[in-house]
Amino acid sequence: AQTVTQSQPEMSVQEAETVTLSCTYDTSESDYYLFWYKQPPSRQMILVIRQEAYKQQNATENRFSVNFQKAAKSFSLKISDSQLGDAAMYFCAYRREEGDKIIFGKGTRLHILP
Amino acid sequence: EAGVAQSPRYKIIEKRQSVAFWCNPISGHATLYWYQQILGQGPKLLIQFQNNGVVDDSQLPKDRFSAERLKGVDSTLKIQPAKLEDSAVYLCASRRDNPWNEQFFGPGTRLTVL
Repeated sequence: AQTVTQSQPEMSVQEAETVTLSCTYDTSESDYYLFWYKQPPSRQMILVIRQEAYKQQNATENRFSVNFQKAAKSFSLKISDSQLGDAAMYFCAYRREEGDKIIFGKGTRLHILP
Repeated sequence: EAGVAQSPRYKIIEKRQSVAFWCNPISGHATLYWYQQILGQGPKLLIQFQNNGVVDDSQLPKDRFSAERLKGVDSTLKIQPAKLEDSAVYLCASRRDNPWNEQFFGPGTRLTVL
């Protein structure tokens, strides 16, 4: 069975600094998608970034980028120039290429210090 | 486009009472999901609909939980009778049909069972 592990329950970063959130996963599949979702206090899950496993190039969306290490089954999220609005729960998630079911990690709560 | 709508936003009930949650997906999205998110954990899929048919309900506690999507649009999730451990946020999501099957989440309903 596929699993997603986030080992950092909480993290803090100074505003304008860079922070990296860690995620590891386990799967026997070769084709899959990995995601980072943001969940602010409003509770609405928002997709931050997506990585296709077949792509070697790391995905980037503005201040958000990932470090995808397929052999190590590692998928970390880097947030550059942290802003107060980045404060939220961040969930790492996995989905097989064929199928719908998303498996989420337990999340990392990110605090932004002014 | 309008997002996924859910109501109510909050609900407090006594154990053994019944409760129902409503979801209206994004227009045109044929696939709808209900997730349960217990405090401190990531969302867990309860049930998936394709139009008005059930695709996956393997993790739905069918002795107390039921869900329907009669006309292939709105959906209702019911719990009867509720237990203390049902306290959670219930998230609804709908899916855009693109290669990565992106899911869009609603704001969720926070249920507290006393």
